[in-house]
Amino acid sequence: SQTIHQWPATLVQPVGSPLSLECTVEGTSNPNLYWYRQAAGRGLQLLFYSVGIGQISSEVPQNLSASRPQDRQFILSSKKLLLSDSGFYLCAWVGDRGGETQYFGPGTRLLVL
Amino acid sequence: ILNVEQSPQSLHVQEGDSTNFTCSFPSSNFYALHWYRWETAKSPEALFVMTLNGDEKKKGRISATLNTKEGYSYLYIKGSQPEDSATYLCAFIESGGYNKLIFGAGTRLAVHP
Repeated sequence: SQTIHQWPATLVQPVGSPLSLECTVEGTSNPNLYWYRQAAGRGLQLLFYSVGIGQISSEVPQNLSASRPQDRQFILSSKKLLLSDSGFYLCAWVGDRGGETQYFGPGTRLLVL
Repeated sequence: ILNVEQSPQSLHVQEGDSTNFTCSFPSSNFYALHWYRWETAKSPEALFVMTLNGDEKKKGRISATLNTKEGYSYLYIKGSQPEDSATYLCAFIESGGYNKLIFGAGTRLAVHP
């Protein structure tokens, strides 16, 4: 069966520090991968998606970047965190056949102070 | 910019009440409409994936309908229970959109015993 992992579960970082959040998927190959964020008082917003290794599309201009070094690994990064980067980050995957359910990881709660 | 709207924003009902929420989405370039149930501190749980105009889906006491021509979907909960308390999210996928979910802000349901 397929599973999706995210770590860390929670993170408190000072403004200006770097960030690396990791997402890995097991039990599937060539998934589409997605990073979403829920900022305080707002809905879920798509940040990045990837249809394959090294292929990243950004949905909104921001202080973050994403990378996909391996088929089932998706990394969210920042060189210098801003207060506005605080939020709940969710990784999700879907099979490459399209139209299927997206499955979400457990999420990472990030607080930037 | 694609806009997905949900109403009401929040809802308080008594145990045993039936309730329904609305999701409005663009009626052009439709591919799929997803409903998710999201409890605090957990990852969103898929309820329904709806793709055809006139679709009606049911899972226990929860059901959903879809009208792609006018761009809306309804989610119904029959005989609400306290464990139904959660945020209910709908998400739109545009045709040719790599399964990118465009979420509404959600309807927060609280069911009181």
